[in-house]
Amino acid sequence: QVQLQESGPGLVRPSQTLSLSCTVSGDSITGSTYHWTWVRQPAGEGLEWVGRISTSGSTKYNSSLKSRASISLDPSKNQFSLKVDSVTAADTAVYYCARGGWSSSSFVFDSWGQGILVTVSS
Amino acid sequence: QSVLTQTPSASGTPGQRVTISCSGSSSNVGTNTVNWYQQFPGTAPKLLIYKNSQRTSGVPDRFSGSKSGTSASLAISGLQSEDEADYYCAAWDDSLKCPVFGGGTKVTVL
Repeated sequence: QVQLQESGPGLVRPSQTLSLSCTVSGDSITGSTYHWTWVRQPAGEGLEWVGRISTSGSTKYNSSLKSRASISLDPSKNQFSLKVDSVTAADTAVYYCARGGWSSSSFVFDSWGQGILVTVSS
Repeated sequence: QSVLTQTPSASGTPGQRVTISCSGSSSNVGTNTVNWYQQFPGTAPKLLIYKNSQRTSGVPDRFSGSKSGTSASLAISGLQSEDEADYYCAAWDDSLKCPVFGGGTKVTVL
């Protein structure tokens, strides 16, 4: 059974870089054809897809982040990481890492981390 | 502004049937299958329904999903207090080449 766990600072200063990691257990992040994904959720709001990295290392991001986001793989730790540059209060949210993939012609997120609250404030 | 449109709230008394709608476009719901996620406060979303109407393991059969054209719906029949949660629809978007979510519907059991 795959498990994901987010880690990183809970407080980031405005204009600084948000850095989070997701440790995966029960699956190899380079050995299967999944999208290792970040999803965020501001308080009281809905889910927003932030971006993903595939097992081959190809990435795609939500255009709303205006090229501020980057996702990378660390196979040695079986982790993938998210960085968001030049953060503002609008980046304050619970950040989830998730495993996404195609199942019976349906793209689903079948495993999620518990989420980590990141607050952008001085 | 979410790509998929959901009504913000729905409610019913125990035992009633509640239906949640999800509206999209030809590039997402109209072309690809719809999934539904259930989220309780303070917890991560959990996949409830995939491929429009398939329940994941352990999901009671009082939950059912359907899709027609560019709209989908999730029905909860025999509503129970433990069904009080937020529900999100999602689908792959062929134009954006990424998954998109609805804004969520909060289901309240009166």
